[in-house]
Amino acid sequence: AQSVTQLGSHVSVSEGALVLLRCNYSSSVPPYLFWYVQYPNQGLQLLLKYTSAATLVKGINGFEAEFKKSETSFHLTKPSAHMSDAAEYFCAVRSGGSNYKLTFGKGTLLTVNP
Amino acid sequence: NAGVTQTPKFQVLKTGQSMTLQCAQDMNHNSMYWYRQDPGMGLRLIYYSASEGTTDKGEVPNGYNVSRLNKREFSLRLESAAPSQTSVYFCASSERGAGQGLNQPQHFGDGTRLSIL
Repeated sequence: AQSVTQLGSHVSVSEGALVLLRCNYSSSVPPYLFWYVQYPNQGLQLLLKYTSAATLVKGINGFEAEFKKSETSFHLTKPSAHMSDAAEYFCAVRSGGSNYKLTFGKGTLLTVNP
Repeated sequence: NAGVTQTPKFQVLKTGQSMTLQCAQDMNHNSMYWYRQDPGMGLRLIYYSASEGTTDKGEVPNGYNVSRLNKREFSLRLESAAPSQTSVYFCASSERGAGQGLNQPQHFGDGTRLSIL
């Protein structure tokens, strides 16, 4: 079975500060990992995905995530927060084999203070 | 370049009423999904369709039915709405079905906000 845990339902940072959103996964087989962003009253938009080609993955809007197998983590970072980054962020995992369904974490709401 | 289109965007129902949420994608994707999103719960899979002609239950299927009308369209029906079904419903699609293209992301519509009184 696959699962995702996002540590911290709410993260608050100042504009220009480092953004770090945590995601840990559980999977019995090598996982495929995704980060999505959801702006108010909108659907989910893909930020980036890990597919085993490289452990450091760069996404849109200056975000990146690093896959660490030993820590079963896929944390999302951005060096300098912008006001427009305020949104909810979801980590999701999909295991290999015949199970292609995505399992989502419960989300982390990012607030950016001026 | 519409992507995934959901209708309606908002709906208010009374307990016991029925309705169908519509979803259509124009990306020629094989797989389609229905999720519900509730505060603090993330997204939970209701039903999915790996390919045209197939549907399967997800994590929370009770009280719902689906129809994969053709490759483009996947509808979700509430036969007898209950207040517990008040939620935001998202439809998504992806390029491949089971066993193939597991690295393919899902593309989401903007959601249907459903309130049941």
